[in-house]
Amino acid sequence: GESVGLHLPTLSVQEGDNSIINCAYSNSASDYFIWYKQESGKGPQFIIDIRSNMDKRQGQRVTVLLNKTVKHLSLQIAATQPGDSAVYFCAENSPNSGYALNFGKGTSLLVTP
Amino acid sequence: SAVISQKPSRDICQRGTSLTIQCQVDSQVTMMFWYRQQPGQSLTLIATANQGSEATYESGFVIDKFPISRPNLTFSTLTVSNMSPEDSSIYLCSVGAAGDTEAFFGQGTRLTVV
Repeated sequence: GESVGLHLPTLSVQEGDNSIINCAYSNSASDYFIWYKQESGKGPQFIIDIRSNMDKRQGQRVTVLLNKTVKHLSLQIAATQPGDSAVYFCAENSPNSGYALNFGKGTSLLVTP
Repeated sequence: SAVISQKPSRDICQRGTSLTIQCQVDSQVTMMFWYRQQPGQSLTLIATANQGSEATYESGFVIDKFPISRPNLTFSTLTVSNMSPEDSSIYLCSVGAAGDTEAFFGQGTRLTVV
C-alpha cells in the first residue's frame, strides 16, 4: 500500500516578523548542536552551531539559544523573509556517538507576504 | 567549506535491482557519513564510511543491504541493494566531524522504487 509520511510541525509567520523555532533533545551528554535549513529538493544547509559551554550565539539575523537545564534549543530568525521558508532541523552530537549527528524531527517555516 | 557532489541526483528504479550512489568531495576529509531521509521525515544516519576499513553501521542498517565503499579521502559510494518501494527516500552524503568542524551535506539522491 501507499505509505504516508509524517506531517512536520508548521510555523507560519508574516514577512518582517521574528520567528522562533524550538527543539528539545534528550541526551544530557550532547555537547554540540547545529541548526540546518533544508529547502525543497536540496540537502541540509548549515545555519549556526553552538557548543554546550555557551547558552547563546548570534549570527547574521539568527540567534541560537541553548538551555541545558531543560534540554531545549531554539533558533530565532529576525525580520523573517520569504527566502527563509524551508524546513529547519536541529541536530546534536555527543562524545559517545562519534562524530555523526542525531537529527530532530524538523519544523516547516512558512513566511507569508 | 567543502563542496560535495552526489550522483545521481535522482533515479527511478525497479524493485529487486540495486543502485550505487556516488559522493565526491573537493578536498580530503576524514569523516564521511551516509544518511537517509524518508518522505516528510528527518534524517537518519545509515553508516560512517571509514577510509581503509569497513563502514560502521547504525542499528537497523546492515552491510548486505547498504554496502559502502571508501577507497580514498575524497570519495565514497553507497549501494542500495535488492530495492523495494520502502527504500524510496533521499540518500545524503555528509562530510566533516561534528564538534570538530562543520558537517556539510551533499544535495542528496532522490530514489523512487517502483
